[in-house]
Amino acid sequence: QQQVKQSPQSLIVQKGGISIINCAYENTAFDYFPWYQQFPGKGPALLIAIRPDVSEKKEGRFTISFNKSAKQFSLHIMDSQPGDSATYFCAASNSGAGSYQLTFGKGTKLSVIP
Amino acid sequence: EAGVAQSPRYKIIEKRQSVAFWCNPISGHATLYWYQQILGQGPKLLIQFQNNGVVDDSQLPKDRFSAERLKGVDSTLKIQPAKLEDSAVYLCASSYSYNEQFFGPGTRLTVL
Repeated sequence: QQQVKQSPQSLIVQKGGISIINCAYENTAFDYFPWYQQFPGKGPALLIAIRPDVSEKKEGRFTISFNKSAKQFSLHIMDSQPGDSATYFCAASNSGAGSYQLTFGKGTKLSVIP
Repeated sequence: EAGVAQSPRYKIIEKRQSVAFWCNPISGHATLYWYQQILGQGPKLLIQFQNNGVVDDSQLPKDRFSAERLKGVDSTLKIQPAKLEDSAVYLCASSYSYNEQFFGPGTRLTVL
């Protein structure tokens, strides 16, 4: 059972454009939603994270929007740059379960073209 | 601050052979995770340690996979015998405060 569904699978954006990646979750017990960025040959790196008590979090060019009622959250990359070309994973965890295990989406390969 | 170290970075073996991966977490991180990342998919948790105790190994195929974390620091993940479907990147991650996990570069395993 896939608990976190991510779309699109791949995304091509022009330099300077906005990249938008969406995720939906099923488990209402999830209370922590991070986004990870992964470059080829590297491990995932935490980009930005949000908890359900806020609807939006912004860090530089990266913004998470969170819709608790729809059980959806999204990553927006403003002014996308070629250096942003990577695979992005959304994830979710349930801190109440005590283990804080992350459930990942399948990933979105972003290509930013000059 | 040094990151999570993993070795080897690449490994090619024949099916039915055995293989072991090593992970050294960030100093002071009590929680250690092993993930399997199949090409084109997100990481899937195999096992989670808190110090040298297992928190969750429900998704570890225990007939062929084993892991240990002696002295609550380094960890090894072993596969014996390997199958073709074990070809993947094996990621180790560690965390100090819950939720923020720091990943190593991974070991890419190819089973022929």
